[in-house]
Amino acid sequence: SQQGEEDPQALSIQEGENATMNCSYKTSINNLQWYRQNSGRGLVHLILIRSNEREKHSGRLRVTLDTSKKSSSLLITASRAADTASYFCATGPNFGNEKLTFGTGTRLTIIP
Amino acid sequence: NAGVTQTPKFQVLKTGQSMTLQCAQDMNHEYMSWYRQDPGMGLRLIHYSVGAGITDQGEVPNGYNVSRSTTEDFPLRLLSAAPSQTSVYFCASRGGALENIQYFGAGTRLSVL
Repeated sequence: SQQGEEDPQALSIQEGENATMNCSYKTSINNLQWYRQNSGRGLVHLILIRSNEREKHSGRLRVTLDTSKKSSSLLITASRAADTASYFCATGPNFGNEKLTFGTGTRLTIIP
Repeated sequence: NAGVTQTPKFQVLKTGQSMTLQCAQDMNHEYMSWYRQDPGMGLRLIHYSVGAGITDQGEVPNGYNVSRSTTEDFPLRLLSAAPSQTSVYFCASRGGALENIQYFGAGTRLSVL
């Protein structure tokens, strides 16, 4: 079963606007990662946040983590057409379990 | 700097045929994994390896075999292809137990008729 579930499943916004997508997970984690997948390509790592961190920034990306609610959000500011992609959260590896478990993804479309 | 290389990129099989999807990485990574991606299902782990000679099952291992004879290579074998195995397959690697970032290949799109 999926550990992470992204919300919304699909999101369309105008270029320049901010995009926010959410991830909920079920069990305790050591860290949570976000990946991007352009159409027809493999996944690319974006950012990792550890369980003792509440917020992390990387360029136009801002990730938050609320372990009490078992949720994370990814904010992309000042969106660009090149941000059009699917975004996945992944939990793991955790507590000796070597697996990374991916959610079902959010499909983001940036309208020029 | 090749990273993770998967071959072939596309493949069409008939039901019952067998084939091997190849995966190679040149980053000297200990950990390698195979995922399948289906619409609305995200990525599901098929098999993974934490080093040469060591493999373990993931979430959906049935119908697939793996082996890891070298650090670089992690082939995925379909023993008797079924239409349910039509999917996009991704190989990934990461450095080791303390390295969480996973690097993905470009994928193999497989159709089983």
